[in-house]
Amino acid sequence: DAGITQSPRHKVTETGTPVTLRCHQTENHRYMYWYRQDPGHGLRLIHYSYGVKDTDKGEVSDGYSVSRSKTEDFLLTLESATSSQTSVYFCAISKTGSMNTEAFFGQGTRLTVV
Amino acid sequence: AQTVTQSQPEMSVQEAETVTLSCTYDTSESDYYLFWYKQPPSRQMILVIRQEAYKQQNATENRFSVNFQKAAKSFSLKISDSQLGDAAMYFCAYRTTGGGADGLTFGKGTHLIIQP
Repeated sequence: DAGITQSPRHKVTETGTPVTLRCHQTENHRYMYWYRQDPGHGLRLIHYSYGVKDTDKGEVSDGYSVSRSKTEDFLLTLESATSSQTSVYFCAISKTGSMNTEAFFGQGTRLTVV
Repeated sequence: AQTVTQSQPEMSVQEAETVTLSCTYDTSESDYYLFWYKQPPSRQMILVIRQEAYKQQNATENRFSVNFQKAAKSFSLKISDSQLGDAAMYFCAYRTTGGGADGLTFGKGTHLIIQP
């Protein structure tokens, strides 16, 4: 299994509070991604990173920010959580940005905003 | 923007039988990759099979094979000799690096049930 650790694995938070999810990898892969998974929507890309301090927006980036200060860590922050951000969040990594490169996924974080 | 459509929210098959999961996509790119991922109840995303758009030969991985029809933008997954461990959500995904956002574009998934 690829060395990807997401923390926390489960979290319940209140509306309006800030939340940070962490993705840690031990593979030294350059590319890292955050997706959210919702019933009826599959997985949708939130943000991605192609190197330290290099990030870009995905399909559903509103309300989220990211940071990558080290190769191994990619943080996803909800500045002020809303109920619509209740979801399962997946981190993924890939060695390169080439389209044939396999993406490896973490175990997911279930976030509930009440 | 690319879109991936899985028209079957749920499929059911008897153990040892063959089942085909459908996927269509829309893109203006000429080169891209297509993937099928499996997500069992553990939530882990597992790559099942991949296909490059420029390769005419359909990819095969043991009991899993694809029927790739580029002109029709269709990419179906065939599972032969279905086993109880095949029960999962299956996601079709698309990826290109021809510009725009990186990452995979996923369909909404098909829930596969294996009847013993």
